[in-house]
Amino acid sequence: AQRVTQPEKLLSVFKGAPVELKCNYSYSGSPELFWYVQYSRQRLQLLLRHISRESIKGFTADLNKGETSFHLKKPFAQEEDSAMYYCALRHGSGNTGKLIFGQGTTLQVKP
Amino acid sequence: DAGVTQSPTHLIKTRGQQVTLRCSPKSGHDTVSWYQQALGQGPQFIFQYYEEEERQRGNFPDRFSGHQFPNYSSELNVNALLLGDSALYLCASTLGEYEQYFGPGTRLTVT
Repeated sequence: AQRVTQPEKLLSVFKGAPVELKCNYSYSGSPELFWYVQYSRQRLQLLLRHISRESIKGFTADLNKGETSFHLKKPFAQEEDSAMYYCALRHGSGNTGKLIFGQGTTLQVKP
Repeated sequence: DAGVTQSPTHLIKTRGQQVTLRCSPKSGHDTVSWYQQALGQGPQFIFQYYEEEERQRGNFPDRFSGHQFPNYSSELNVNALLLGDSALYLCASTLGEYEQYFGPGTRLTVT
């Protein structure tokens, strides 16, 4: 079965510390993975996707097929990074694909 | 472009009643997906509409139904409401293969 697991409900770090939000997936086939972010009082929005291999707001994520992981990393956390982060997997091809979300991790960056 | 819009923002219903939620996709988008997000959980896929037809469906009972109109807007209907249907209902639209744009959601409370 397709599944996305985010083992941490809450991750609390100090400003300037490195951040790693964990995401593991279960999927038969070639997965397409995403990180979505929801800032306070804002809608869910795409942060990055593995196929683009880009860095957004200093965040990166590498797909590790051997470990079935797609962890989100940032070397130096900022207070404005505080938000809810969701890892998601697209099941199906193209725009027919539905997103399967993890339970989310709240990132709290303390001053 | 206001992006994806949803109405109403909030509503309260009684068990057994029926509810209709509405979604207008981002300009130019032709595919609409609906998700249910229970408190403390990630969004769960309900179904997806394309060309006015339900193209994919998640693990939700037939009490959940939908419709897409020629202008690509969509409705989600839930019959015989249960307390467990209380959640944030998200609409997402897309065109092509990649990003799904999410609306702000409709908060449904069933009493």
